[in-house]
Amino acid sequence: DQQVKQNSPSLSVQEGRISILNCDYTNSMFDYFLWYKKYPAEGPTFLISISSIKDKNEDGRFTVFLNKSAKHLSLHIVPSQPGDSAVYFCAASDRGSTLGRLYFGRGTQLTVWP
Amino acid sequence: DGGITQSPKYLFRKEGQNVTLSCEQNLNHDAMYWYRQDPGQGLRLIYYSQIVNDFQKGDIAEGYSVSREKKESFPLTVTSAQKNPTAFYLCASSIPGDGINEQFFGPGTRLTVL
Repeated sequence: DQQVKQNSPSLSVQEGRISILNCDYTNSMFDYFLWYKKYPAEGPTFLISISSIKDKNEDGRFTVFLNKSAKHLSLHIVPSQPGDSAVYFCAASDRGSTLGRLYFGRGTQLTVWP
Repeated sequence: DGGITQSPKYLFRKEGQNVTLSCEQNLNHDAMYWYRQDPGQGLRLIYYSQIVNDFQKGDIAEGYSVSREKKESFPLTVTSAQKNPTAFYLCASSIPGDGINEQFFGPGTRLTVL
């Protein structure tokens, strides 16, 4: 059973507009969330993260929002650029666990067109 | 430069043959992971190791084996028992218990079984 879900397999956005990628989780023990970006035939790279004690974290054009009561987080990219076209994975962890596992969603393919 | 290397980038094998994928890291990380990526399936955990000479099965360990004889190395063997071995394989490492659980990924190996 998937504990982290990205229900939109793809998203298409015009350059300069906002991209919003969504992620839901089921395990209430998750307390740290990460977004990774992946280009074809490459390994994922870390993008931004958020702790459960916060509801927002910003890094340049990227902002992650966390709604703990809804078990939902979203990644906002403003403004979107063609180079942002990639697969975005949401991941969650339980920092109280010694296992150090990350639980990944299935990813959302973002396409930013000119 | 510190990082994770996976070799080779592309690998072809005949059906019924075992094949070993290499993963080496010089980040001094204790934990290492193997994932498999298939289209629409996201990143699925095969095996992980928190420390030398110890490893645990992930969610899809059947048909795979690993060893962890050195901190820097975590090779994955895809055996003939794996029914659908053609996939993109990713290795990652992290510092377990650092309060973040961020994983660093290698560039991946594309395995094609003919």
